[in-house]
Amino acid sequence: NAGVTQTPKFQVLKTGQSMTLQCAQDMNHNSMYWYRQDPGMGLRLIYYSASEGTTDKGEVPNGYNVSRLNKREFSLRLESAAPSQTSVYFCASSSQALPGQDGYTFGSGTRLTVV
Amino acid sequence: AQTVTQSQPEMSVQEAETVTLSCTYDTSESDYYLFWYKQPPSRQMILVIRQEAYKQQNATENRFSVNFQKAAKSFSLKISDSQLGDAAMYFCAPRRDGGTSYGKLTFGQGTILTVHP
Repeated sequence: NAGVTQTPKFQVLKTGQSMTLQCAQDMNHNSMYWYRQDPGMGLRLIYYSASEGTTDKGEVPNGYNVSRLNKREFSLRLESAAPSQTSVYFCASSSQALPGQDGYTFGSGTRLTVV
Repeated sequence: AQTVTQSQPEMSVQEAETVTLSCTYDTSESDYYLFWYKQPPSRQMILVIRQEAYKQQNATENRFSVNFQKAAKSFSLKISDSQLGDAAMYFCAPRRDGGTSYGKLTFGQGTILTVHP
């Protein structure tokens, strides 16, 4: 099925460990995004990629890095995980940097717990 | 900073009744899109309805409609004939403009909707 695929769906890390969240879309979208969702809060933008080869910081980038590997894939890396990074992470894509009529298409999320 | 305010953390409605979820936002642009997303317990983010700011006519999608007041920067969602499957967290998301976040969607804190049989 067409859409946005995130892996893994669940992950538990120890403080200080590193990991990479993977995201891939097959809709030929130009723009991709990483958000985090904390309890009682809306989604906050971590990083985004307006097009292949470009990445920019969002609202809460500290502690994260990203790679736009190609047009399909956009990964999020935690170099040294901290308990404050316990959250649900969403990847999303859109056909253009300015979301038009279709808004974003979201992946199903990754629940990350840092102990 | 751009702000999106959903002033109702929780709402409840009886099945088959109508409920309205409120949202106000801040933007300096004259043309932009606004979206409502639904997040059921499955965690999936589902687009419910969208509105383009330059269109005066309020958007409708089956049982879902919006009341868009551009001057007041208000974008409320009305759900008619509520169904049990409408139970979810609902997020308002205007396109965010200004500074380095130009073009990004900013999400409100969400409203949890409970539907009683």
